Amino acid sequence: AQSVSQHNHHVILSEAASLELGCNYSYGGTVNLFWYVQYPGQHLQLLLKYFSGDPLVKGIKGFEAEFIKSKFSFNLRKPSVQWSDTAEYFCAVNAGGTSYGKLTFGQGTILTVHP
Amino acid sequence: DTGVSQDPRHKITKRGQNVTFRCDPISEHNRLYWYRQTLGQGPEFLTYFQNEAQLEKSRLLSDRFSAERPKGSFSTLEIQRTEQGDSAMYLCASSLGTGMYSPLHFGNGTRLTVT
Repeated sequence: AQSVSQHNHHVILSEAASLELGCNYSYGGTVNLFWYVQYPGQHLQLLLKYFSGDPLVKGIKGFEAEFIKSKFSFNLRKPSVQWSDTAEYFCAVNAGGTSYGKLTFGQGTILTVHP
Repeated sequence: DTGVSQDPRHKITKRGQNVTFRCDPISEHNRLYWYRQTLGQGPEFLTYFQNEAQLEKSRLLSDRFSAERPKGSFSTLEIQRTEQGDSAMYLCASSLGTGMYSPLHFGNGTRLTVT
């Protein structure tokens, strides 16, 4: 079975700072990788995904993530955060060949951005 | 797109009671998923349906849990003889399962508190 580990439980930044949230997964086979975001009071929504091809993927709102297969990592980055990025971020893995909606999530990282 | 709707938003029950939650997916979505999220953790997959067929159940889903999707539209999740450990947020998500990737759309969840 796969597992996902997110390195930081809570990250606090000032606006315009750069962001990197760590995500490592444990699974020996083909994986599809996701980052989801949950803004305060809202439902989970997809930020970006990686299935194959270019390991650097771009998502909504200026976020990007890099898949490094040798490190089993899929870290999320943003060059300059905004106050509106305050949210909880979840990394998730889907084992290749299973339903796309069957995800294993990490514990989540709460991001607080101060204006 | 009215989104995924879950009812109720909150449920407080006494240990040993039965509870039932409802999920209304996005109307054209044929796949429906149930997840459970406890405090400080990411969502955990419980089960999923394609139309009315329940295709997979997690080992997390004990015999006290049962889910149905009788007409391939809304779904219910019932927990019998609730225990304090059942306290969690229960999330429903839906997607359009065509073989190609279709993103999951999550509802706002039902928060269950067992006293």
